[in-house]
Amino acid sequence: EVHLVESGGGLVQPGGSLRLSCAASGFTFSDYSMSWVRQAPGKGLFWLAKITQDGIHKFYVDAVWGRFTISRDNARSSLYLQMDSLRAEDTAMYYCATYRDSPVHKDYWGQGTLVTVSS
Amino acid sequence: QSVLTQPPSVSAAPGQKVTIPCSGTRSNIGNNYMSWYQQVPGTAPKLLISDNDKRPSGIPDRFSGSKSGTSATLDITGLQTGDEADYYCGTWDTSLRVYVFGTGTQVTVL
Repeated sequence: EVHLVESGGGLVQPGGSLRLSCAASGFTFSDYSMSWVRQAPGKGLFWLAKITQDGIHKFYVDAVWGRFTISRDNARSSLYLQMDSLRAEDTAMYYCATYRDSPVHKDYWGQGTLVTVSS
Repeated sequence: QSVLTQPPSVSAAPGQKVTIPCSGTRSNIGNNYMSWYQQVPGTAPKLLISDNDKRPSGIPDRFSGSKSGTSATLDITGLQTGDEADYYCGTWDTSLRVYVFGTGTQVTVL
């Protein structure tokens, strides 16, 4: 059975940092590009970043460029999101998900971890 | 903020059909495969349609997707109360080099 389990969320003050983790199991993690997606309370889905299978290529939306860093450890089947200079508008549920580069890839999502940025 | 536009809500009676449009541009919908996601509030999104019109295993054929030019459509036929959820279109944007989701559509079964 496939599992994506996010952790590391919580309450942080504006300007602070958090590191989110996503532990994958039940599929060959190294075969998949991975993404982070967030959803602010009462709002829609917002894609943040993608990292390729080998960890070399990374893509970010402008809203988090230079503040967030996506990374992965294929040996540990884990995905990470380092979030620095956090702002109130970063408050959201953060999901990790597989990124389908081809029709053979499946779509998997974690249940999310909540990040609250507030003083 | 989203570059893909959807109506905020659609509704129909049980057994009826709803159509959810998604409008974009050549750099996103026009040149890339579309996906559609269903999200029941409080849960993670679930893929309904991939590659414009493909249903993953386990998705009923009541759900169908199509694409034409810079627009895409999700149809839900035989509407059921369990279909009440938010629906999002999504695709890669070649110019922005990011994945973009639609603004989301809430489906209500009357």
